[in-house]
Amino acid sequence: GEDVEQSLFLSVREGDSSVINCTYTDSSSTYLYWYKQEPGAGLQLLTYIFSNMDMKQDQRLTVLLNKKDKHLSLRIADTQTGDSAIYFCAEESGGYQKVTFGTGTKLQVIP
Amino acid sequence: DTGVSQDPRHKITKRGQNVTFRCDPISEHNRLYWYRQTLGQGPEFLTYFQNEAQLEKSRLLSDRFSAERPKGSFSTLEIQRTEQGDSAMYLCASSLQGLADNEQFFGPGTRLTVL
Repeated sequence: GEDVEQSLFLSVREGDSSVINCTYTDSSSTYLYWYKQEPGAGLQLLTYIFSNMDMKQDQRLTVLLNKKDKHLSLRIADTQTGDSAIYFCAEESGGYQKVTFGTGTKLQVIP
Repeated sequence: DTGVSQDPRHKITKRGQNVTFRCDPISEHNRLYWYRQTLGQGPEFLTYFQNEAQLEKSRLLSDRFSAERPKGSFSTLEIQRTEQGDSAMYLCASSLQGLADNEQFFGPGTRLTVL
């Protein structure tokens, strides 16, 4: 079955880069996503990467995909206090657009 | 507001009671999903509709849970004979078939507390 794992917590200083890592198990995943969840708010899609890509850059966000190792990472450059949130890695699989989420990484940005 | 809406936002009920939640997706979206999220966990897939057809149900969805989307627009999720273990945030999401990234747009959720 599908399983997505993330580290639970990451603390960085404002202005530094943050790197959040994720491993997944389903090699047939088509899309891999990064979602952001702020307290009291819904999940927001930050970025995604198609499984045949190995890198995607979107402003301050860089997604790296190592399909061989089933490893996905999200790098946030120049991390700001507004980036403090829980970040979920997710994979789409199953042929019916089922999305499996990781447990989330809580990012704390220290001013 | 043209996002996904859910009602109610909070529900407190006693064990054994039935509850029903409603989700209104983004109007042109034909796909609708229900997820459950407990504290410290990521959302877990419950079920998925394409138009009015329920195409997939997770084994997490016991017989006490039923979801409908009668006209392919809004959806309801009913939990019968609630148990304390049902306490969670229930999230609804919608997406539009055919988009390259199949982005799912999430609603704010309904937080259920079973006493």
